[in-house]
Amino acid sequence: GESVGLHLPTLSVQEGDNSIINCAYSNSASDYFIWYKQESGKGPQFIIDIRSNMDKRQGQRVTVLLNKTVKHLSLQIAATQPGDSAVYFCAQLPGGYQKVTFGTGTKLQVIP
Amino acid sequence: DTGVSQDPRHKITKRGQNVTFRCDPISEHNRLYWYRQTLGQGPEFLTYFQNEAQLEKSRLLSDRFSAERPKGSFSTLEIQRTEQGDSAMYLCASSLSLAGALNEQFFGPGTRLTVL
Repeated sequence: GESVGLHLPTLSVQEGDNSIINCAYSNSASDYFIWYKQESGKGPQFIIDIRSNMDKRQGQRVTVLLNKTVKHLSLQIAATQPGDSAVYFCAQLPGGYQKVTFGTGTKLQVIP
Repeated sequence: DTGVSQDPRHKITKRGQNVTFRCDPISEHNRLYWYRQTLGQGPEFLTYFQNEAQLEKSRLLSDRFSAERPKGSFSTLEIQRTEQGDSAMYLCASSLSLAGALNEQFFGPGTRLTVL
């Protein structure tokens, strides 16, 4: 199947700490794995992606790690800020297809 | 604001009524997607267009659902004879297809449908 799921539905983090959001996937036939951020009342916003032939990619304050051996994806947010509070979805783009398959989401709550 | 707009933002209707939503993608984007999102879940793919051609439809898209993109620009999603199970957020996204690259999808704010 193409399920993409998350281990924790809610994550509470103190402002300034690092956040780690985890995701397990089942379909190995993906060209890309993607993290989206969705704030209340808005559509998902692209954060960072990683190609299936990579195991790490860094952006501004975010790092995505891909472990294909155990089919695990994680998003690390450094120095978490109140503006990072949102629901985060991992997603994958199976090879040759255009539809993005989303997981169920993790809510990140940043405690000031 | 991603540049993708949707109208209306909210729609409340009675069961059995027809509803139509509109999506205006980023102007130079040739691909347009529709997704449905229920509370606490990730968006689920419904269908996508390349220019005016509808290239893929999900099994979620029953016969009561129809989508069009007549001139390869804006798109409409119509639901006929709405049911309470149709209550959801309907998201539109657009992308510019580039060979060999991730075609990042930019999402609109969605239309929240409530069927009473």
